[in-house]
Amino acid sequence: GAVVSQHPSWVICKSGTSVKIECRSLDFQATTMFWYRQFPKQSLMLMATSNEGSKATYEQGVEKDKFLINHASLTLSTLTVTSAHPEDSSFYICSAATPQGGGSTEAFFGQGTRLTVV
Amino acid sequence: AQTVTQSQPEMSVQEAETVTLSCTYDTSESDYYLFWYKQPPSRQMILVIRQEAYKQQNATENRFSVNFQKAAKSFSLKISDSQLGDAAMYFCAFLLIQGAQKLVFGQGTRLTINP
Repeated sequence: GAVVSQHPSWVICKSGTSVKIECRSLDFQATTMFWYRQFPKQSLMLMATSNEGSKATYEQGVEKDKFLINHASLTLSTLTVTSAHPEDSSFYICSAATPQGGGSTEAFFGQGTRLTVV
Repeated sequence: AQTVTQSQPEMSVQEAETVTLSCTYDTSESDYYLFWYKQPPSRQMILVIRQEAYKQQNATENRFSVNFQKAAKSFSLKISDSQLGDAAMYFCAFLLIQGAQKLVFGQGTRLTINP
């Protein structure tokens, strides 16, 4: 199957600093990528949907200015947590949907990033 | 808005037995995909099975099969001959592919396999 690479796997940062998480589709072009946050023993909460070359669509309750999403190319989307605080500590996962056509659509996931803000 | 509901927070089954995980969803769209994903302790999401909404035939992947009832908006997963390696969190997911694309997950079901 297609491969989505997410980097870094884990990061520790100081409160008030910004952290960037990268999500790359290695062997396919992803016009749409999804960003999730997952708390321990809970489900994946959709934060936003990013489309290449356009602004991301954020879910209700997600702060656009805090979680900056950029989808500058068909293979790369980034999530920047700005002015991070301890409550932003969580597991973040990206997903890319394979292009439609041929009757096959599937979503592939990155390995996730564990963010700890101290 | 699209929502996915998994009403079973936890399920357990004896090894080699069969277990069914429930999932219902709500949407006004007609073109979408449904998935079951498995998340082991590593937290890597693993696709178990996929169902296209336009297909009436239920998807099957080896020991895994679904019961897709489009009118009832139900999408249950049946695991036959359960194995210890099947133990994980299972998430039902809905992918809207037209217009505003979204991939939405249910709350998850933690499956335990008893030896």
